[in-house]
Amino acid sequence: AQSVSQHNHHVILSEAASLELGCNYSYGGTVNLFWYVQYPGQHLQLLLKYFSGDPLVKGIKGFEAEFIKSKFSFNLRKPSVQWSDTAEYFCAVNAEYGNKLVFGAGTILRVKS
Amino acid sequence: NAGVTQTPKFRILKIGQSMTLQCTQDMNHNYMYWYRQDPGMGLKLIYYSVGAGITDKGEVPNGYNVSRSTTEDFPLRLELAAPSQTSVYFCASSYSRGPGQGGYEQYFGPGTRLTVT
Repeated sequence: AQSVSQHNHHVILSEAASLELGCNYSYGGTVNLFWYVQYPGQHLQLLLKYFSGDPLVKGIKGFEAEFIKSKFSFNLRKPSVQWSDTAEYFCAVNAEYGNKLVFGAGTILRVKS
Repeated sequence: NAGVTQTPKFRILKIGQSMTLQCTQDMNHNYMYWYRQDPGMGLKLIYYSVGAGITDKGEVPNGYNVSRSTTEDFPLRLELAAPSQTSVYFCASSYSRGPGQGGYEQYFGPGTRLTVT
């Protein structure tokens, strides 16, 4: 069965600091990869996605992620975080019939102003 | 488009009661899903549907039932509520061209916060 690991459950950063959230998955075949964000009290929204092509994917709000197939990783990055980036971030993998997503446990990011 | 809508937003149930969580999407998506979200656990798939009349179990189906009589609606039924079903429930939908053609992102509803006491 597929699984997704997110390395840190809680991250605290100051504004303007750089962010990197780790995500590793276990599946040897073709995968589609996603990062979702959940702002406090809101539902999940798509940040970015990788289907094929350029492994460096750019998403909304200045986020980007790099797919490294040899490392089974899809880490999320942002050069300079803002207080409004405070949220929970989920990595997800889709590799099966039914377009089912397997989610990581999530990383709660708190940005101090 | 309203996207994915869910009702109710909040509900408190007593142990043993039943209820139906409603989910509707107006994007003509063929795939729909129910997840539960528990702190520190991410989202777990309860049931999913690849089209009207077709449903299948996800990772944590016990204690739940679903039906999909129309493209738009995908209700989730709790028959005998238990404290372990206290959670936040999210419905989602996506479009896929068929088996092996996955990859389209899922759109999520606002969630239903359910407490069973």
